Amino acid sequence: GESVGLHLPTLSVQEGDNSIINCAYSNSASDYFIWYKQESGKGPQFIIDIRSNMDKRQGQRVTVLLNKTVKHLSLQIAATQPGDSAVYFCAESGNTGKLIFGQGTTLQVKP
Amino acid sequence: EPEVTQTPSHQVTQMGQEVILRCVPISNHLYFYWYRQILGQKVEFLVSFYNNEISEKSEIFDDQFSVERPDGSNFTLKIRSTKLEDSAMYFCASSELGGAYSNQPQHFGDGTRLSIL
Repeated sequence: GESVGLHLPTLSVQEGDNSIINCAYSNSASDYFIWYKQESGKGPQFIIDIRSNMDKRQGQRVTVLLNKTVKHLSLQIAATQPGDSAVYFCAESGNTGKLIFGQGTTLQVKP
Repeated sequence: EPEVTQTPSHQVTQMGQEVILRCVPISNHLYFYWYRQILGQKVEFLVSFYNNEISEKSEIFDDQFSVERPDGSNFTLKIRSTKLEDSAMYFCASSELGGAYSNQPQHFGDGTRLSIL
């Protein structure tokens, strides 16, 4: 079946450290992946995406890695800041457009 | 930066009543979506909409649900006879492209919290 999941429900990091949030997906037909950030009371906010023909993509302070062999996706946040505290979701999409979300990882940044 | 807007932010309704949730997608976007998120759970797909018709719907989107684009800017989700288990956050999203060309990010509104009493 289709499912997208994250390995850890909560990740606690020190301000200034790098964060790595992991996600495993099960549908090998998925060809598009997105990371979203959700702050309390807000909707999912687009962070970065990656297509299946790539294995790495960088944005501002964020990097997404895709390993299709083991169906694993990760989000790396460099120099984590208090404003990065939120719930992070990975989502996958195939050829229909609907997004399948994982359970979410809560990132807590300690000052 | 253009954004998806949703109204109301919170809707309280008696069980069995009809409710309409409203969304204004980003203006040049062609694909529209509704998702829901039960408290503490992941976001779940409900329905996608393109060219004035439903493209895909999930098992959750039964015949109590309907969507409409009544004019060039609004996109609505109607629940005909609400149940207690319909209580959730409902998110509208839009994307410039979708379907077979779905490699475009969907942009979400901040949601409507629906509380069924």
